[in-house]
Amino acid sequence: DAGVTQSPTHLIKTRGQQVTLRCSPKSGHDTVSWYQQALGQGPQFIFQYYEEEERQRGNFPDRFSGHQFPNYSSELNVNALLLGDSALYLCASSLASTTGNTIYFGEGSWLTVV
Amino acid sequence: GENVEQHPSTLSVQEGDSAVIKCTYSDSASNYFPWYKQELGKRPQLIIDIRSNVGEKKDQRIAVTLNKTAKHFSLHITETQPEDSAVYFCAASVSFNKFYFGSGTKLNVKP
Repeated sequence: DAGVTQSPTHLIKTRGQQVTLRCSPKSGHDTVSWYQQALGQGPQFIFQYYEEEERQRGNFPDRFSGHQFPNYSSELNVNALLLGDSALYLCASSLASTTGNTIYFGEGSWLTVV
Repeated sequence: GENVEQHPSTLSVQEGDSAVIKCTYSDSASNYFPWYKQELGKRPQLIIDIRSNVGEKKDQRIAVTLNKTAKHFSLHITETQPEDSAVYFCAASVSFNKFYFGSGTKLNVKP
């Protein structure tokens, strides 16, 4: 049973560039959420995808966008990168539910913006 | 939106002692409260969780308590071991698996 997988593991980008991060959810899961974790802080919710649509969004600018594919995998895109976007980006998968359900994190993608 | 506060930010205990980490939340609609352990450079991993219809849950050396009236919940680790050293995060979920995380507690268990 495959867990949540993310790629790439590490990447370095220059200010102003664009980046795409990818996530495959745990087998059987249909909901993908993305979190940003800055150094020394807790994860912050970016947005969540279910049935190929953005279902919820946190307090992140429009530079952050995403997509979910029919196989439930997801992408996170960040445009016009800023130095402050440097962080660990975590993908979390779960089953759709109106009540709390366990979320499982991938290993994350470390983004450094220089 | 929900606001989760976590204390202390760092905690140092002697091996074998107990450790307690506390979190408060602001939204009374929150109904699910997981705790995650994150080792350096690794993903957060779920160690225990509690739902709003339960006051306490225990799993071997780890326990979580929830006080809905006061809107706070706590993680208790007994008989701490060096491998318990990590950063611990509490979280609260209002709906649709959208989680708000605390700022983390760095636990150091000294042998």
